[in-house]
Amino acid sequence: NAGVTQTPKFQVLKTGQSMTLQCAQDMNHEYMSWYRQDPGMGLRLIHYSVGAGITDQGEVPNGYNVSRSTTEDFPLRLLSAAPSQTSVYFCASSYSAGGVNTEAFFGQGTRLTVV
Amino acid sequence: KQEVTQIPAALSVPEGENLVLNCSFTDSAIYNLQWFRQDPGKGLTSLLLIQSSQREQTSGRLNASLDKSSGRSTLYIAASQPGDSATYLCAETTSGTYKYIFGTGTRLKVLA
Repeated sequence: NAGVTQTPKFQVLKTGQSMTLQCAQDMNHEYMSWYRQDPGMGLRLIHYSVGAGITDQGEVPNGYNVSRSTTEDFPLRLLSAAPSQTSVYFCASSYSAGGVNTEAFFGQGTRLTVV
Repeated sequence: KQEVTQIPAALSVPEGENLVLNCSFTDSAIYNLQWFRQDPGKGLTSLLLIQSSQREQTSGRLNASLDKSSGRSTLYIAASQPGDSATYLCAETTSGTYKYIFGTGTRLKVLA
């Protein structure tokens, strides 16, 4: 019963490097999303997806790309890492009932440091 | 703009005390209000989900209530234990959207 799985758990990047944060869920949830968590700012929505092939921007999308080719996977790509992207990243999934979110389940997070 | 506020930001109580954590939201079109627990360096664990048609939800020593008219939710923890020490987050989602809006959390410390 894996739930939402994120890899890697920790990552250090140099400025300008690119990487992909992986997120997979095994609950057949339609809705998946990425958040970043910064001290004093709470969790902020980066991108979200309401189903395979459908993605949209959240509150802080700049510098990030997403795609959703399957129901299970929702990777987050950092195109050219910047120190401002140092944060803890969380992936979440939930079941959509009648077009509205139900209970959200979160992964354990990826702690990213950009130097 | 939707906002979710949690007060206090930090709370320290002796073991055994009953306590209330507060969550205020500005959007009256709330659909769900979810409470989470986050341990240091860990992910978010769902505690309770209240739909707008409900007034409260209970799980063990936890009880969460929702008052749409006043824009408030409370999380009541009975007979607190040191193991309850964590950060507690609330998040709302509103009708017609897929987004959760989070508060910044209350950091709880229960002293043995």
